[in-house]
Amino acid sequence: SQQGEEDPQALSIQEGENATMNCSYKTSINNLQWYRQNSGRGLVHLILIRSNEREKHSGRLRVTLDTSKKSSSLLITASRAADTASYFCATDAIGGNEKLTFGTGTRLTIIP
Amino acid sequence: GAGVSQSPSNKVTEKGKDVELRCDPISGHTALYWYRQSLGQGLEFLIYFQGNSAPDKSGLPSDRFSAERTGGSVSTLTIQRTQQEDSAVYLCASKGGGADTQYFGPGTRLTVL
Repeated sequence: SQQGEEDPQALSIQEGENATMNCSYKTSINNLQWYRQNSGRGLVHLILIRSNEREKHSGRLRVTLDTSKKSSSLLITASRAADTASYFCATDAIGGNEKLTFGTGTRLTIIP
Repeated sequence: GAGVSQSPSNKVTEKGKDVELRCDPISGHTALYWYRQSLGQGLEFLIYFQGNSAPDKSGLPSDRFSAERTGGSVSTLTIQRTQQEDSAVYLCASKGGGADTQYFGPGTRLTVL
């Protein structure tokens, strides 16, 4: 079963704008990871944030984590057409045997 | 290898047939995971291997599903007597080297007619 929800479910923005996606989860975690999926196939790892971290950057990506609210956000700055994909958050729960529990995903469309 | 590989890429089978899906993890990765992605259920965990042992099989949906891993490398997921609800993309991931990141393969799209 899925641990949490992501919102929005779908997002369309103009190229060059920033895109923000949110993820909520239910249990205590070791870390939270964001993945991108193109065309419903393999997942590409984007960034991992540990439970003791609050913010992390990687290129045009910024991830925040609020463990008190059990939520995370992914910001993609200066979006490009190639960023069009589905984005998923995934949590590694404490005591969860290292398996990932995924959110419902956000479908991002960048309009050229 | 450079990344996780899975075969076949696509599999179409008839209801009631058995299928085998293969995963080759990144060389040296000791942990291997199987997940399933379907329209109704999203992305779900199936089974986790550490070496050749499976400490967590809690996600296998029924006894028609089984998996094994040999030599601490290749894993095979077997679905017996396939049903239409087994249609999904089956994803494999591996992890190792002390890192927490799971790296995914391209998946196998299974269609049961």
